Amino acid sequence: QVQLQESGPGLVKPSETLSLTCTVSGGSVSDSSHYWSWIRQPPGKGLEWIGFIYSSGSTNYNPSLKSRVTISVDTSKNQFSLKVRSVTAADTAVYYCARVVRAAGDYWGQGTLVTVSS
Amino acid sequence: QSALTQPPSASGSPGQSVTISCTGTSSDVGGYNYVSWYQQHPGKAPKLMIYEVIKRPSGVPDRFSGSKSGNTASLTVSGLQAEDEADYYCSSYAGSYNLVFGGGTKLTVL
Repeated sequence: QVQLQESGPGLVKPSETLSLTCTVSGGSVSDSSHYWSWIRQPPGKGLEWIGFIYSSGSTNYNPSLKSRVTISVDTSKNQFSLKVRSVTAADTAVYYCARVVRAAGDYWGQGTLVTVSS
Repeated sequence: QSALTQPPSASGSPGQSVTISCTGTSSDVGGYNYVSWYQQHPGKAPKLMIYEVIKRPSGVPDRFSGSKSGNTASLTVSGLQAEDEADYYCSSYAGSYNLVFGGGTKLTVL
């Protein structure tokens, strides 16, 4: 059974960088059959796709976030990570990591709330 | 890319059927057979209910079905049960390795 677990600070100051890691168990980030994705959900609002990373390290991002986001993969630790630069209160959200196959997220982490506040 | 359009709410009585729509464009929903539907209970992660428009993952009851016509996809829940009360989100491949979600629909079982 594939499991994903997000980790990282729950509080980030405005203008700083949000950094999260997703640890995968029961599966491999090197698996060429899947993409690995970050999705976020502001409190009381809908889901927003942030971006993908493939096992090769190739990435694609939501155009609305592309200038501030970086997703990377560490195959030795079976993890992938998210960085969002220059955060504001609008970046406050529950951040989910997910495995994606054929454009569908079949396994999701439990989510982690990140609050942007001074 | 713009979010897909879903009705904010839907409702039905136990045992009835309800259909939730998800409207996009020819660049997303209408252009690809990669529409997915997710169920989200409060405080929980989304759960995949339908993928590739009509396919159900193992373990999802056959009361849940998907369809698509033109730029609009639909999720139908038949034989409504109390545990079906949740938020439902659609998503679609939007080309160039992009994904887009709908705004979500709150399903109430009366």
